[in-house]
This record gives sequence, C-alpha cells and structure tokens, in this order.
Amino acid sequence: NAGVMQNPRHLVRRRGQEARLRCSPMKGHSHVYWYRQLPEEGLKFMVYLQKENIIDESGMPKERFSAEFPKEGPSILRIQQVVRGDSAAYFCASSPLLAPKGNEQFFGPGTRLTVL
Amino acid sequence: EDQVTQSPEALRLQEGESSSLNCSYTVSGLRGLFWYRQDPGKGPEFLFTLYSAGEEKEKERLKATLTKKESFLHITAPKPEDSATYLCAVHPIKAAGNKLTFGGGTRVLVKP
Repeated sequence: NAGVMQNPRHLVRRRGQEARLRCSPMKGHSHVYWYRQLPEEGLKFMVYLQKENIIDESGMPKERFSAEFPKEGPSILRIQQVVRGDSAAYFCASSPLLAPKGNEQFFGPGTRLTVL
Repeated sequence: EDQVTQSPEALRLQEGESSSLNCSYTVSGLRGLFWYRQDPGKGPEFLFTLYSAGEEKEKERLKATLTKKESFLHITAPKPEDSATYLCAVHPIKAAGNKLTFGGGTRVLVKP
C-alpha cells in the first residue's frame, strides 16, 4: 500500500520562475494538506483541500501561491514568481474521511525547493 | 491563539539512558494530540494519537502520555536508531478545517 507520494523531491528555480509541486495522497484518502518547513523552523500549515474544493487556505500567502486538488490526478501547489524566501521543504499530508475524533495525517517525503 | 511548545530543543543521550520530551499546549479545546518522528531529509512519520487526559500509548521504546496541558514522550533505554527530531502537533476543536499546529520539535541524539 503506497504512502503519500510527492514529486519532484528536489526542485531548483531561479527568481521569477514558477514552481509546481505535486502530491498523490494515500489510497483511500480524500483529504490533502500542504505544510511548509522553513530552515530551522517548524512545520506551518498552508492549505487543506478535498477533491475539487479548497476547504481552508488560512495559512497560504495571499499572493503568488495557489493550490488545487482536481477530480482526477494529484494535488498541485503552485508558486508563481518565486523569491529566495520561498526556499523551504514543502510537505503534503493526507487523511481518510474525517474521524469523529482527531484525524491522523500521513506525510509524504517532501519537495525541497531551492530558489537561486 | 493555539500554541504548542516543545522542550528541550535538543537532547543528547547515551544508549540506554531513558528520558522524556515535553509538549505543552494552549488550545481552546483539544480534538487530538499527535506525535511524529522526523529523520533528516524525510517527511514526518506518524507515531501516536492521544485524545483525552490520562490516555497512554506505547510503541517499542516509546510511550506517550497526555494531561490537560501537556504531553510527554518517554524514551526507555534508547538506541542510536531512535535519533531523530520528535514533533508534537495539536488538532484544536475549533480549528478551521483540519489543520494541525506543530511545535518546534525536539532533536534527539542517542550515542552508542
């Protein structure tokens, strides 16, 4: 049973370019979350999606960042016109239908974005 | 505002030297508290979920406990392979959506 898959694992972009990060959730999971881990900082929530819907994007920067989870295919985190401060590890997590109590989120290996 | 504070930031242990990691939290109401392990260059690996004060969970040399204000991760007779960063996260009842709020982590190094 494959876990959460992310690609690419490493991505290098020059300032002003676009970065596209992909995430395929675990089989049977319909909830996807994106988190960002800046160097020497903790994990910070960015966005929570279900198929074709953005449920909570309270942690996403208002400009240049967008996310989608289409009916078919992986979830995409898109960063336009990247700047050096976007350099970080971006993690995707998934969970099954929300349990009555807390929901365990299972993380992928991350995409490490470096902006030159 | 929901807050999670982990201490210590770093912990050096000799193999076999048991210790505890602390996770203090401030939330309006707790739906669940989660422990993860993260190895360098990898994603967090799920360890435990705790739901209510007094609850305990165990896995090999790790044991997690929960009170109304904090959680502890006890490492008994650690081995070098237990070296990792341990992350604590909370899922508040009133959190919009399902977002987790993470602490800064405790980096554990176990020397042989």
